[in-house]
Amino acid sequence: DQQVKQNSPSLSVQEGRISILNCDYTNSMFDYFLWYKKYPAEGPTFLISISSIKDKNEDGRFTVFLNKSAKHLSLHIVPSQPGDSAVYFCAASAFRGGGLVFGKGTKLTVNP
Amino acid sequence: DTAVSQTPKYLVTQMGNDKSIKCEQNLGHDTMYWYKQDSKKFLKIMFSYNNKELIINETVPNRFSPKSPDKAHLNLHINSLELGDSAVYFCASSHTGLAGGLYNEQFFGPGTRLTVL
Repeated sequence: DQQVKQNSPSLSVQEGRISILNCDYTNSMFDYFLWYKKYPAEGPTFLISISSIKDKNEDGRFTVFLNKSAKHLSLHIVPSQPGDSAVYFCAASAFRGGGLVFGKGTKLTVNP
Repeated sequence: DTAVSQTPKYLVTQMGNDKSIKCEQNLGHDTMYWYKQDSKKFLKIMFSYNNKELIINETVPNRFSPKSPDKAHLNLHINSLELGDSAVYFCASSHTGLAGGLYNEQFFGPGTRLTVL
């Protein structure tokens, strides 16, 4: 039973436009939500995170939105760049030091 | 300067063998983890160690045994390897103290691709 779901396996966007990656979760005990970026043959790289007490966190071109009542979060990348092309994983945990529960990932392709 | 390193990067071995994967972090973190990414690309937590003590063990067969000689190292020993153990194994670390990241940010190593023949 997947507790973290990324329903879009892939997304293609033009350079300069906004990329929106979505994630849904089922476990109301999750307190922390994170986005990771992954290139082939490398480990996941931490991108941005948010706690359940906030609804938005911004870092440069990346913004994460959390809708706790809908158990939904999204990652916005604007403007998108070709170097952003990678697999993006949504992850969640219930406590600090706890294992992260990952979604299956969304492959983002940013076309020049 | 590598933050979380793993050796080896690739490991090919026969069924029934015993093998180890090493992990080291130089971030000063107090918690380390092992994750498995299977053929369907799911990343799943296997173990978590905080200050050399096991705090998470997610229904992993007891053929898998993590060993933490100190806070900077968490090695994974696998006995009697099976075909289904073929996967990519990732080590990660985080700081759970108040001075660390706020949201349980974990930092991952490059992964070890294990192939059991």
